[in-house]
Amino acid sequence: DIQMTQSPSSLSASVGDRVTITCRASQSINTYLNWYQQKPGKAPNLLIYAASSLQSGVPSRFSGSGSGTDFTLTISSLQPEDFASYYCQQSYTTPRTFGQGTKLE
Amino acid sequence: QVQLQESGPGLLKPSETLSLTCTVSGASISSDFWSWIRQPAGKGLEWIGRIQTSGTTNYSPSLKTRVNMSLDTSKNHFSLRLNSLTAADTAIYYCAREYTNSRTLDYWGQGILVTVSA
Repeated sequence: DIQMTQSPSSLSASVGDRVTITCRASQSINTYLNWYQQKPGKAPNLLIYAASSLQSGVPSRFSGSGSGTDFTLTISSLQPEDFASYYCQQSYTTPRTFGQGTKLE
Repeated sequence: QVQLQESGPGLLKPSETLSLTCTVSGASISSDFWSWIRQPAGKGLEWIGRIQTSGTTNYSPSLKTRVNMSLDTSKNHFSLRLNSLTAADTAIYYCAREYTNSRTLDYWGQGILVTVSA
């Protein structure tokens, strides 16, 4: 299985901050990397696919980058509704695997 | 608008078999992959597996010996069976579509809490 490691596990930030979350794969996954946001009591919501493509309807303050084994999710100016958990997921091969999550608080 | 809805029992006993169904509207299950993911309380997401109408199934190696997925195109729903339950299987279970073109889980059900307890 491909292991996905996110850092940090939790992050304290304030409205207006620029925030970066990293995700590392245990082997190269090209750009088959997706990011999801999950709010308490809700299902995850797709933010970024193929490492850097913004899902339709997602605000442009979200961006993704990386390829191979190292990836980042950046929120350029944190908004109140962005306080949530974030997960990376590789779709390079099965089994699909998720990072352990980053809680933004 | 694509919508998915999980249904099934919320409480089961150890050693029993979990059966969940995900009913899909707004899309045909004849295309794409249809997935199950679970999340224990306060923890991260765990991919269980996926199924496609071609008959292709992919399962998590850690669950492979206990899991089976099927789909019914006439009812536009797909199902998960997980046997030999233990307390470690207590979680919220989500169904989701994996869109083939982008390999993303782009539509999710709301989730169903399954508790395994004697």
